[in-house]
Amino acid sequence: DSGVTQTPKHLITATGQRVTLRCSPRSGDLSVYWYQQSLDQGLQFLIQYYNGEERAKGNILERFSAQQFPDLHSELNLSSLELGDSALYFCASSPRTSGTDTQYFGPGTRLTVL
Amino acid sequence: ILNVEQSPQSLHVQEGDSTNFTCSFPSSNFYALHWYRWETAKSPEALFVMTLNGDEKKKGRISATLNTKEGYSYLYIKGSQPEDSATYLCAFMDTGRRALTFGSGTRLQVQP
Repeated sequence: DSGVTQTPKHLITATGQRVTLRCSPRSGDLSVYWYQQSLDQGLQFLIQYYNGEERAKGNILERFSAQQFPDLHSELNLSSLELGDSALYFCASSPRTSGTDTQYFGPGTRLTVL
Repeated sequence: ILNVEQSPQSLHVQEGDSTNFTCSFPSSNFYALHWYRWETAKSPEALFVMTLNGDEKKKGRISATLNTKEGYSYLYIKGSQPEDSATYLCAFMDTGRRALTFGSGTRLQVQP
């Protein structure tokens, strides 16, 4: 158990809908990262927040947005969902924003868009 | 687009065999290389974070080396056990982007 929690574990929804994935980092960690794992692709970095501020952005679609709240939990919002958005979404956390920090991964949310 | 390649894609070995796999990454603007172990139905678990050319890290029977000048890292497992069966991922970070780019992994299966 990494100490990172994600809810929900599974989510099934329809095309065109909007969903929110939630992540609570390990106690004391200030950075939260979001990753997407699709069937045909490896782990893709989406976005990073550090202490409430966006820090780095990867291949995140405009239909997706994220935020980190004062209590440091983070939410990833996915809207106008398409079939291709079906994937495993991981959240990870680390103590700071240094690239040499170990990132601790949560259990993931499996999103299925029908 | 950063290219992080891992080879082989998959590997089947017998219990007790030693094995190694490769991660190749751009040799310029190196910042850090991460290794993760990902078991089926679980989440990636960090093994090592490597930052210096010539770095060697060890955790039990697993060790890793780093060559930043030529852009590769090796992961070694000595005396593989069935519980070592997993996908091993490497992830590269350059000085500019400050985000991890993952390879597609090496899937290791250890037969008892």
